[in-house]
Amino acid sequence: DTAVSQTPKYLVTQMGNDKSIKCEQNLGHDTMYWYKQDSKKFLKIMFSYNNKELIINETVPNRFSPKSPDKAHLNLHINSLELGDSAVYFCASSQPALARTDTQYFGPGTRLTVL
Amino acid sequence: AQKVTQAQTEISVVEKEDVTLDCVYETRDTTYYLFWYKQPPSGELVFLIRRNSFDEQNEISGRYSWNFQKSTSSFNFTITASQVVDSAVYFCALSEANKLVFGAGTILRVKS
Repeated sequence: DTAVSQTPKYLVTQMGNDKSIKCEQNLGHDTMYWYKQDSKKFLKIMFSYNNKELIINETVPNRFSPKSPDKAHLNLHINSLELGDSAVYFCASSQPALARTDTQYFGPGTRLTVL
Repeated sequence: AQKVTQAQTEISVVEKEDVTLDCVYETRDTTYYLFWYKQPPSGELVFLIRRNSFDEQNEISGRYSWNFQKSTSSFNFTITASQVVDSAVYFCALSEANKLVFGAGTILRVKS
């Protein structure tokens, strides 16, 4: 059983296009996240949602818009893609409120390449 | 602001050697969690361990062990008798208000 899944795994697109990455978790967690891993492997939080509400937005450009239709899904839509958006995007989930645990479980990542 | 430092950018060892990956953190919180994640060449992020700030006991899991020392703000990770399959990027992370602050990662190469 896949705990946190992302689609697609690879995404190659042209500058200026709009694209979406989907994330789903079947762990019953309340909180979901998007992280960006750049070409130097550095990982940084982008967004966090708790029960469909945005709780963290780490100075990400407005071109990035997360959408959480329910607490099991957190999608990432990117408008007007730029070369600098090329990275690996990881979705994660955790259940900090209920179990007092901050362990985040990550999806397999989506490698986005903007040409 | 919280910070995690992994000073070792890359380590190369020969199979069966022991290797320690260093992690030093900075935080003003009295309650916090520390983590190690493994990123193998396939790219996924694999959770290895979580340690809370009140529990300074060292932990051992098979060939893996972790040494948490609050006095030096360190949370080091040792792999005993390393194997080629241990080759990966290892990340130390600190929790802050429901987000993880990651170190830059240490690339571990284990040669046969």
